[in-house]
Amino acid sequence: DTEVTQTPKHLVMGMTNKKSLKCEQHMGHRAMYWYKQKAKKPPELMFVYSYEKLSINESVPSRFSPECPNSSLLNLHLHALQPEDSALYLCASSFTRGTAQWRDTQYFGPGTRLTVL
Amino acid sequence: GDSVTQMEGPVTLSEEAFLTINCTYTATGYPSLFWYVQYPGEGLQLLLKATKADDKGSNKGFEATYRKETTSFHLEKGSVQVSDSAVYFCALSDREGGNKLTFGTGTQLKVEL
Repeated sequence: DTEVTQTPKHLVMGMTNKKSLKCEQHMGHRAMYWYKQKAKKPPELMFVYSYEKLSINESVPSRFSPECPNSSLLNLHLHALQPEDSALYLCASSFTRGTAQWRDTQYFGPGTRLTVL
Repeated sequence: GDSVTQMEGPVTLSEEAFLTINCTYTATGYPSLFWYVQYPGEGLQLLLKATKADDKGSNKGFEATYRKETTSFHLEKGSVQVSDSAVYFCALSDREGGNKLTFGTGTQLKVEL
């Protein structure tokens, strides 16, 4: 089973709201990722967690706050977003095998379609 | 730095036509190469991968061969179906980037009856 689940599927929020996106996997993967995808563009990496520790932050604005409570769960907390943050937010996970991480396949979830009004 | 170049889309084909989507890469290391497919309104699905030179990845009738001498990983399918209509992304990861994927711009494929 190579399933990554994401909730909610759709989210509409105002610029003053606080909301959270949730991602879950039960494949025993120890690396989890958040991507942002605008229409007709490839995904852009935002954050990487490896063994529940933040290992990569691609200079993402602080209005996006990731959290990895355990090895199966990844959250993205949203606060004071801007309309330009409207996008598809994708979660992914990979097995991670120490020094050969680049050989591991990333498995993506279906995404959360976020609209900021 | 790493980069992936894909042929421009959209590509429109008739059902049962032969498909080629070109992908070339630049990488400082010895990358792993991937093709992902994204159907309308969905996330990315791994289509196939290859991790060393001359490896051929294959899945659902799609194939791609890792060509180190030409730094290419072209996607092919002998007979496309309407259900293959989607956006296809070529991607790579390598030792320097760790678990960062570098994506091409994506190629939209439309298959008509």
